[in-house]
Amino acid sequence: DTAVSQTPKYLVTQMGNDKSIKCEQNLGHDTMYWYKQDSKKFLKIMFSYNNKELIINETVPNRFSPKSPDKAHLNLHINSLELGDSAVYFCASSQVAAANYGYTFGSGTRLTVV
Amino acid sequence: GDSVTQMEGPVTLSEEAFLTINCTYTATGYPSLFWYVQYPGEGLQLLLKATKADDKGSNKGFEATYRKETTSFHLEKGSVQVSDSAVYFCALRSDYKLSFGAGTTVTVRA
Repeated sequence: DTAVSQTPKYLVTQMGNDKSIKCEQNLGHDTMYWYKQDSKKFLKIMFSYNNKELIINETVPNRFSPKSPDKAHLNLHINSLELGDSAVYFCASSQVAAANYGYTFGSGTRLTVV
Repeated sequence: GDSVTQMEGPVTLSEEAFLTINCTYTATGYPSLFWYVQYPGEGLQLLLKATKADDKGSNKGFEATYRKETTSFHLEKGSVQVSDSAVYFCALRSDYKLSFGAGTTVTVRA
Protein backbone atom coordinates (compact mmCIF):
# COMPACT_ATOMS: atom_id res chain seq x y z
CA ASP A 1 0.00 0.00 0.00
CA THR A 2 1.33 3.41 -0.95
CA ALA A 3 1.59 5.61 2.14
CA VAL A 4 1.45 9.02 0.43
CA SER A 5 0.21 9.03 -3.13
CA GLN A 6 0.09 11.94 -5.54
CA THR A 7 -1.60 12.25 -8.89
CA PRO A 8 -0.70 12.89 -11.57
CA LYS A 9 2.98 11.93 -11.67
CA TYR A 10 3.61 14.11 -14.70
CA LEU A 11 1.70 17.17 -15.84
CA VAL A 12 2.46 19.17 -18.97
CA THR A 13 0.29 22.19 -19.60
CA GLN A 14 0.25 25.55 -21.30
CA MET A 15 0.75 28.92 -19.71
CA GLY A 16 -2.45 30.44 -18.41
CA ASN A 17 -4.16 27.13 -17.70
CA ASP A 18 -5.53 26.04 -14.30
CA LYS A 19 -4.51 22.67 -12.93
CA SER A 20 -4.81 20.59 -9.76
CA ILE A 21 -2.58 18.05 -8.06
CA LYS A 22 -4.10 15.58 -5.63
CA CYS A 23 -2.56 13.96 -2.58
CA GLU A 24 -3.81 11.26 -0.25
CA GLN A 25 -2.19 9.58 2.75
CA ASN A 26 -3.25 6.37 4.48
CA LEU A 27 -0.93 6.66 7.48
CA GLY A 28 -3.47 8.23 9.81
CA HIS A 29 -1.32 11.36 10.11
CA ASP A 30 -2.97 14.60 11.10
CA THR A 31 -0.76 17.00 9.14
CA MET A 32 -0.03 17.31 5.43
CA TYR A 33 2.31 19.52 3.45
CA TRP A 34 3.17 20.75 -0.02
CA TYR A 35 6.78 21.34 -1.00
CA LYS A 36 8.18 22.74 -4.24
CA GLN A 37 11.51 21.45 -5.57
CA ASP A 38 13.16 23.65 -8.18
CA SER A 39 15.57 22.67 -10.92
CA LYS A 40 18.51 22.98 -8.52
CA LYS A 41 16.85 20.47 -6.17
CA PHE A 42 16.12 23.12 -3.54
CA LEU A 43 13.09 22.21 -1.43
CA LYS A 44 10.79 24.91 -0.14
CA ILE A 45 7.70 24.42 1.97
CA MET A 46 4.58 26.00 0.58
CA PHE A 47 1.65 25.01 2.78
CA SER A 48 0.72 22.83 5.69
CA TYR A 49 -2.64 21.68 7.03
CA ASN A 50 -3.28 20.19 10.45
CA ASN A 51 -6.66 18.49 10.79
CA LYS A 52 -7.96 20.49 7.84
CA GLU A 53 -6.73 23.79 9.26
CA LEU A 54 -4.08 25.83 7.45
CA ILE A 55 -1.07 26.23 9.76
CA ILE A 56 1.76 27.13 7.37
CA ASN A 57 1.33 29.49 4.46
CA GLU A 58 4.71 30.57 3.16
CA THR A 59 5.23 33.38 0.68
CA VAL A 60 3.52 31.79 -2.27
CA PRO A 61 1.61 33.57 -5.07
CA ASN A 62 -2.10 33.54 -4.39
CA ARG A 63 -2.54 31.66 -7.68
CA PHE A 64 -1.72 28.63 -5.53
CA SER A 65 -4.57 27.47 -3.34
CA PRO A 66 -4.48 24.37 -1.15
CA LYS A 67 -7.63 22.55 -0.15
CA SER A 68 -8.00 19.86 2.48
CA PRO A 69 -11.42 18.15 2.42
CA ASP A 70 -10.34 15.86 5.25
CA LYS A 71 -7.15 15.09 7.09
CA ALA A 72 -6.21 12.31 4.66
CA HIS A 73 -6.30 14.56 1.59
CA LEU A 74 -4.55 17.76 0.57
CA ASN A 75 -4.94 19.05 -2.95
CA LEU A 76 -3.12 21.89 -4.65
CA HIS A 77 -4.85 24.04 -7.22
CA ILE A 78 -2.86 26.41 -9.40
CA ASN A 79 -4.49 29.17 -11.44
CA SER A 80 -3.06 30.97 -14.45
CA LEU A 81 0.04 28.81 -14.68
CA GLU A 82 3.34 30.53 -15.47
CA LEU A 83 6.62 29.21 -16.86
CA GLY A 84 8.23 29.70 -13.44
CA ASP A 85 5.79 27.26 -11.88
CA SER A 86 7.60 24.41 -13.60
CA ALA A 87 9.01 22.26 -10.81
CA VAL A 88 8.48 19.03 -8.93
CA TYR A 89 5.80 19.30 -6.25
CA PHE A 90 5.95 16.94 -3.30
CA CYS A 91 3.21 16.14 -0.87
CA ALA A 92 4.15 14.90 2.61
CA SER A 93 2.46 13.94 5.85
CA SER A 94 3.40 13.65 9.50
CA GLN A 95 1.95 13.41 12.96
CA VAL A 96 2.49 16.95 14.15
CA ALA A 97 2.87 16.05 17.81
CA ALA A 98 5.57 13.53 16.98
CA ALA A 99 8.38 16.01 16.50
CA ASN A 100 10.91 13.22 16.69
CA TYR A 101 9.66 11.83 13.44
CA GLY A 102 10.24 13.14 9.97
CA TYR A 103 7.75 13.41 7.19
CA THR A 104 6.67 10.75 4.74
CA PHE A 105 6.84 12.02 1.18
CA GLY A 106 4.97 11.16 -1.96
CA SER A 107 6.84 10.40 -5.16
CA GLY A 108 6.26 13.87 -6.59
CA THR A 109 4.44 15.52 -9.46
CA ARG A 110 6.62 16.95 -12.21
CA LEU A 111 4.85 20.00 -13.57
CA THR A 112 6.04 21.44 -16.86
CA VAL A 113 4.52 24.67 -18.11
CA VAL A 114 5.10 25.39 -21.79
CA GLY B 1 14.57 31.45 11.86
CA ASP B 2 15.80 27.90 11.97
CA SER B 3 17.98 26.87 9.05
CA VAL B 4 20.30 24.20 7.73
CA THR B 5 23.51 24.62 5.75
CA GLN B 6 25.11 21.68 3.99
CA MET B 7 28.16 21.39 1.84
CA GLU B 8 27.76 22.14 -1.81
CA GLY B 9 28.19 19.45 -4.36
CA PRO B 10 28.46 17.79 -6.59
CA VAL B 11 30.59 15.12 -4.99
CA THR B 12 32.10 12.38 -7.16
CA LEU B 13 33.69 9.32 -5.59
CA SER B 14 34.96 5.92 -6.55
CA GLU B 15 33.35 2.78 -5.17
CA GLU B 16 34.53 1.86 -1.68
CA ALA B 17 35.65 5.43 -0.95
CA PHE B 18 34.74 7.23 2.27
CA LEU B 19 31.92 9.75 2.07
CA THR B 20 31.35 12.76 4.32
CA ILE B 21 28.69 15.40 3.77
CA ASN B 22 28.87 18.28 6.20
CA CYS B 23 25.72 19.75 7.71
CA THR B 24 25.37 22.54 10.27
CA TYR B 25 22.23 24.04 11.66
CA THR B 26 20.90 27.16 13.37
CA ALA B 27 18.00 26.72 15.73
CA THR B 28 16.57 28.47 18.77
CA GLY B 29 15.34 25.32 20.48
CA TYR B 30 16.27 21.67 20.39
CA PRO B 31 15.29 20.42 16.96
CA SER B 32 15.28 16.87 15.68
CA LEU B 33 17.73 16.32 12.83
CA PHE B 34 17.34 14.16 9.75
CA TRP B 35 19.04 13.02 6.60
CA TYR B 36 16.88 12.31 3.59
CA VAL B 37 17.96 10.71 0.32
CA GLN B 38 16.48 11.24 -3.12
CA TYR B 39 17.39 8.67 -5.76
CA PRO B 40 17.12 9.73 -9.41
CA GLY B 41 13.52 10.24 -10.46
CA GLU B 42 12.12 9.40 -7.03
CA GLY B 43 10.75 11.12 -3.96
CA LEU B 44 12.52 11.70 -0.66
CA GLN B 45 13.16 8.84 1.72
CA LEU B 46 14.14 9.15 5.34
CA LEU B 47 17.69 7.82 5.70
CA LEU B 48 18.33 8.39 9.41
CA LYS B 49 17.50 10.70 12.29
CA ALA B 50 18.63 11.89 15.71
CA THR B 51 16.42 13.59 18.24
CA LYS B 52 18.79 14.86 20.94
CA ALA B 53 22.40 15.79 21.54
CA ASP B 54 24.93 12.95 21.13
CA ASP B 55 22.36 10.69 19.51
CA LYS B 56 23.75 8.74 16.57
CA GLY B 57 21.45 7.84 13.70
CA SER B 58 22.41 4.99 11.40
CA ASN B 59 20.97 3.14 8.43
CA LYS B 60 22.30 1.31 5.34
CA GLY B 61 25.90 1.89 6.47
CA PHE B 62 25.36 5.65 6.87
CA GLU B 63 25.86 7.38 10.22
CA ALA B 64 25.42 10.86 11.64
CA THR B 65 25.88 12.17 15.19
CA TYR B 66 23.93 15.09 16.65
CA ARG B 67 26.61 17.46 17.93
CA LYS B 68 25.09 20.30 19.92
CA GLU B 69 28.43 21.95 20.73
CA THR B 70 29.27 22.37 17.05
CA THR B 71 25.63 22.48 15.84
CA SER B 72 26.46 19.82 13.30
CA PHE B 73 25.02 16.58 11.92
CA HIS B 74 27.55 15.35 9.37
CA LEU B 75 26.69 12.29 7.28
CA GLU B 76 29.33 9.58 6.81
CA LYS B 77 29.67 6.24 5.09
CA GLY B 78 32.81 4.19 5.17
CA SER B 79 32.55 2.43 1.79
CA VAL B 80 30.16 3.77 -0.83
CA GLN B 81 28.59 1.80 -3.65
CA VAL B 82 27.33 2.87 -7.06
CA SER B 83 23.81 2.43 -5.69
CA ASP B 84 24.47 5.26 -3.20
CA SER B 85 24.43 7.79 -6.04
CA ALA B 86 21.69 10.21 -5.08
CA VAL B 87 20.94 13.65 -3.68
CA TYR B 88 21.28 13.86 0.11
CA PHE B 89 19.39 16.42 2.17
CA CYS B 90 20.05 17.44 5.74
CA ALA B 91 16.92 18.67 7.55
CA LEU B 92 15.77 19.89 10.91
CA ARG B 93 12.33 19.79 12.44
CA SER B 94 11.13 22.44 14.82
CA ASP B 95 7.49 23.13 15.65
CA TYR B 96 5.43 22.38 12.58
CA LYS B 97 8.10 22.76 9.94
CA LEU B 98 10.76 20.53 8.38
CA SER B 99 13.47 22.75 6.86
CA PHE B 100 15.93 21.36 4.35
CA GLY B 101 19.45 22.17 3.32
CA ALA B 102 20.20 22.77 -0.35
CA GLY B 103 21.01 19.13 -1.05
CA THR B 104 24.30 17.50 -2.06
CA THR B 105 24.49 15.44 -5.24
CA VAL B 106 26.69 12.39 -4.83
CA THR B 107 27.87 10.30 -7.78
CA VAL B 108 29.73 7.06 -7.15
CA ARG B 109 31.71 5.61 -10.04
CA ALA B 110 32.48 1.93 -10.45
